[in-house]
Amino acid sequence: KQEVTQIPAALSVPEGENLVLNCSFTDSAIYNLQWFRQDPGKGLTSLLLIQSSQREQTSGRLNASLDKSSGRSTLYIAASQPGDSATYLCAVNTYQLIWGAGTKLIIKP
Amino acid sequence: NAGVTQTPKFQVLKTGQSMTLQCAQDMNHNSMYWYRQDPGMGLRLIYYSASEGTTDKGEVPNGYNVSRLNKREFSLRLESAAPSQTSVYFCASSEGYSADTQYFGPGTRLTVL
Repeated sequence: KQEVTQIPAALSVPEGENLVLNCSFTDSAIYNLQWFRQDPGKGLTSLLLIQSSQREQTSGRLNASLDKSSGRSTLYIAASQPGDSATYLCAVNTYQLIWGAGTKLIIKP
Repeated sequence: NAGVTQTPKFQVLKTGQSMTLQCAQDMNHNSMYWYRQDPGMGLRLIYYSASEGTTDKGEVPNGYNVSRLNKREFSLRLESAAPSQTSVYFCASSEGYSADTQYFGPGTRLTVL
């Protein structure tokens, strides 16, 4: 059974730092992996989708990597800003999305 | 475009009461989904509709029913609410099933007393 883990559960860093969020999964047979952002009291917003054949995807200050063989993905956020504060969730697509519990990120001004 | 809309935003029920959560999307998507999100856990799929006219069970379907009313609307019904169904419910849609990016509504926070 596919399991998705995100560590740490919470992270607090000063503004301007580069940071990495981690996602690990147990079964490498995936179609794609997706990163989402969730703001308090709101729905989820898709950030990046990496197909199983890809190694990374970039959007602005965000870069997501995928290593299927090791069951790992990272979300790199460059030059963090207070507006980046949110919960970040990863989900692996094995015909259905299987979700991690998320990393709550706080960027301190 | 409103994207994915959900009603109501908040609801409090007593054990045994029934209710229907409504979801609509205006993106002409084929696939729609219902998830629940509990504290400290990832989202879990309750039911999905890969295309208009079809519905299938997800990971946690017990205690729920769904209706794909038309291409735009996908409702979730709790026939006899239980405290274990206290959760935040999200509806999502995507152009095609599974491989495409999913777009989420704002959620419904349900409390069952």
